Amino acid sequence: EAGVAQSPRYKIIEKRQSVAFWCNPISGHATLYWYQQILGQGPKLLIQFQNNGVVDDSQLPKDRFSAERLKGVDSTLKIQPAKLEDSAVYLCASSTPRGGEKLFFGSGTQLSVL
Amino acid sequence: DAKTTQPPSMDCAEGRAANLPCNHSTISGNEYVYWYRQIHSQGPQYIIHGLKNNETNEMASLIITEDRKSSTLILPHATLRDTAVYYCIPKGWGKLQFGAGTQVVVTP
Repeated sequence: EAGVAQSPRYKIIEKRQSVAFWCNPISGHATLYWYQQILGQGPKLLIQFQNNGVVDDSQLPKDRFSAERLKGVDSTLKIQPAKLEDSAVYLCASSTPRGGEKLFFGSGTQLSVL
Repeated sequence: DAKTTQPPSMDCAEGRAANLPCNHSTISGNEYVYWYRQIHSQGPQYIIHGLKNNETNEMASLIITEDRKSSTLILPHATLRDTAVYYCIPKGWGKLQFGAGTQVVVTP
């Protein structure tokens, strides 16, 4: 089966610019997650969707980060405006409601903010 | 959620068993122990999980102590492709939270 697709693979922007990341989960997976992974650290959950509703966005910096999942399938994560400390890998994952915490991750988008 | 302690790094010889320890002494009764790994430049990959019984699948074995305060992930015959960061994650109803993990390097 096809895995979780993410694009772009790499992105370089200057601070105060905007950027968007796209994720297509595994077909049939109702739950979608966005994680942020700073170099040398484990991934940190930013937001979790169940279908197109938000389950948990407690660690999403809402003053600059936004995410949506229209129609309960694809999702986009946006940063506006970006700061230097946003440099990280942004990982998307998906799972089925009956899959427990067996998450399937994409390869991520590596963001560099200069 | 329970806190975990894992060694920051481990070396293992190719073909030998790799035993990865994890301490989770504050684990609560409804928390499972999940193991994931992350190969360089890839997203994390699920390996195995368990509650209190030992578990085995095609990738690894998970041994959980009777008091559930610690566990060991066993890679029976390590290969170079097993070089990765391994995360031990106790999880109940909350979110899946990754710590720093153990960097495992398998050498020829």
